[in-house]
Amino acid sequence: LAKTTQPISMDSYEGQEVNITCSHNNIATNDYITWYQQFPSQGPRFIIQGYKTKVTNEVASLFIPADRKSSTLSLPRVSLSDTAVYYCLVGEGDSSYKLIFGSGTRLLVRP
Amino acid sequence: EAGVAQSPRYKIIEKRQSVAFWCNPISGHATLYWYQQILGQGPKLLIQFQNNGVVDDSQLPKDRFSAERLKGVDSTLKIQPAKLEDSAVYLCASSLDSPYNEQFFGPGTRLTVL
Repeated sequence: LAKTTQPISMDSYEGQEVNITCSHNNIATNDYITWYQQFPSQGPRFIIQGYKTKVTNEVASLFIPADRKSSTLSLPRVSLSDTAVYYCLVGEGDSSYKLIFGSGTRLLVRP
Repeated sequence: EAGVAQSPRYKIIEKRQSVAFWCNPISGHATLYWYQQILGQGPKLLIQFQNNGVVDDSQLPKDRFSAERLKGVDSTLKIQPAKLEDSAVYLCASSLDSPYNEQFFGPGTRLTVL
């Protein structure tokens, strides 16, 4: 199975911008890239999804380069409540239905 | 709108016993997923249903795990017999009609195998 790679952990301070990158070198042509947030003892929660270039919603931006072999989740001004684990989710290989979560990035936001 | 419901929330069993988990997806969602999440890891997809048909079960250990989604709504995931390494949180998720749609996750069932 294709492997996705994310940094294990990141630290930040309130009010800063945080960028988390995911590498996915075997993404399928038609696959979207989706990012999820997970708090302890809860299921993951959708943040943002994109196919190429840049997508922005009310909570985050997603940057995808032309080769689509990586993506960067950008959280503009983090708060303490953004402390969580962040996962990227992509399809794998030639099958859009093989959904592969990354290993997750544990973000700690300090006051 | 009600979210994805799962039961039980917690289960403790001894190895070689059987266990079953239940999931009720969001009304109208055609796609249902079961994930296994071991502590400190990302969720691993076990099986994906589109209505009551299986789309992908390539990572389901079929010698001990089984899942069904009768009538294309509720789903059950069974483990028989359980092993120590099955200790994990089992997450159910649903989406409107395809993997491209946002997945909505339930709270999960935490299984401990002793």
